[in-house]
Amino acid sequence: AQKITQTQPGMFVQEKEAVTLDCTYDTSDQSYGLFWYKQPSSGEMIFLIYQGSYDEQNATEGRYSLNFQKARKSANLVISASQLGDSAMYFCAMRRAPSNTGKLIFGQGTTLQVKP
Amino acid sequence: DSGVTQTPKHLITATGQRVTLRCSPRSGDLSVYWYQQSLDQGLQFLIQYYNGEERAKGNILERFSAQQFPDLHSELNLSSLELGDSALYFCASNPGQIYNEQFFGPGTRLTVL
Repeated sequence: AQKITQTQPGMFVQEKEAVTLDCTYDTSDQSYGLFWYKQPSSGEMIFLIYQGSYDEQNATEGRYSLNFQKARKSANLVISASQLGDSAMYFCAMRRAPSNTGKLIFGQGTTLQVKP
Repeated sequence: DSGVTQTPKHLITATGQRVTLRCSPRSGDLSVYWYQQSLDQGLQFLIQYYNGEERAKGNILERFSAQQFPDLHSELNLSSLELGDSALYFCASNPGQIYNEQFFGPGTRLTVL
């Protein structure tokens, strides 16, 4: 069975500093995808970044990068130059890929608070 | 705005009642996914439809059912509601098959009193 673990319930970071949110996963699949979503206090789920298990380079999207270490089964999210608007809950998720079923398995989430 | 719409935004009802949550996917998306977010269980996958057919099932209770209509909108029916069904219910969509990103709607917050 697939499982996502986020061990940090809450994190603080100073504005303009970088922060790393941890995510480890467990799967016996060779092919899979890893995602990060952001959920602000308003409740919507916002897609941030995707990493495929066969991608050789770490994914980057603007200030977001994914530190993918396949052997350690970790997919940490790095947010550079934190902004006040980054305060939110962050979810790591996984799906089998490619697959006719795209269901996402989510971790428990990490609450990030950015301090001015 | 993801392009996925969900109605209603909020729903307050009593135990034992039945409710229907509606989702309209992004234009052209064939896959619809339903997720439940609660304090106890976190974010859980409930069910997926692809072009009108059920494609995958997660931890969906027997009291819950869903369908996807020919116009691709989907409805999630929750019956014999219990206090523990109070949660935020998300619908997500994507073109389906091997597409990666799922686009989430704003959610329906269900409160069972």
